[in-house]
Amino acid sequence: GENVEQHPSTLSVQEGDSAVIKCTYSDSASNYFPWYKQELGKGPQLIIDIRSNVGEKKDQRIAVTLNKTAKHFSLHITETQPEDSAVYFCAVTRSQGNLIFGKGTKLSVKP
Amino acid sequence: DTAVSQTPKYLVTQMGNDKSIKCEQNLGHDTMYWYKQDSKKFLKIMFSYNNKELIINETVPNRFSPKSPDKAHLNLHINSLELGDSAVYFCASSQSLAGELFFGEGSRLTVL
Repeated sequence: GENVEQHPSTLSVQEGDSAVIKCTYSDSASNYFPWYKQELGKGPQLIIDIRSNVGEKKDQRIAVTLNKTAKHFSLHITETQPEDSAVYFCAVTRSQGNLIFGKGTKLSVKP
Repeated sequence: DTAVSQTPKYLVTQMGNDKSIKCEQNLGHDTMYWYKQDSKKFLKIMFSYNNKELIINETVPNRFSPKSPDKAHLNLHINSLELGDSAVYFCASSQSLAGELFFGEGSRLTVL
């Protein structure tokens, strides 16, 4: 079945630095790649997504890049701030149509 | 006005008991889900309903039974609770199966 690998599992950066989280997937038919942010004690929330017909999408300090040939996509956060500290999940669509999530990356931004 | 609300937020119970978690969404979405998040934060889908019909049922023990009385509600009933059922259970909804998921705040279940 579909498999999603997410790295790293933890990431610690200094405020102002950039953070990059990578995911690889196995099903070449997947065509939707969202990223979710989960703050402590809350449910995950969509922060950015990309579809397979584009290679990059940007929204202020966050961007997602997709390499369909290599079957990987990445989340880039620039000028990190303490409020970016959270657990981030990548996800891909499965053959049944629903999303399967990566195992999450705990990002810590140190002031 | 909360989009996806689930109750209770915390649930502590003994092994062998039966418990329910309720979920309601006011977004007018057709699809609702239950996800389980274990202690390592891994998010795993359990069930998905579309317009009150079960469309996805992952490998979940028969002790878990979802019920959707209408498309705005998806409740989760768990029989004969086991220690391994301890987790945070998230309800979510979306307009379509591969659309943006809107999650509730989670229900933390602790089985003693």
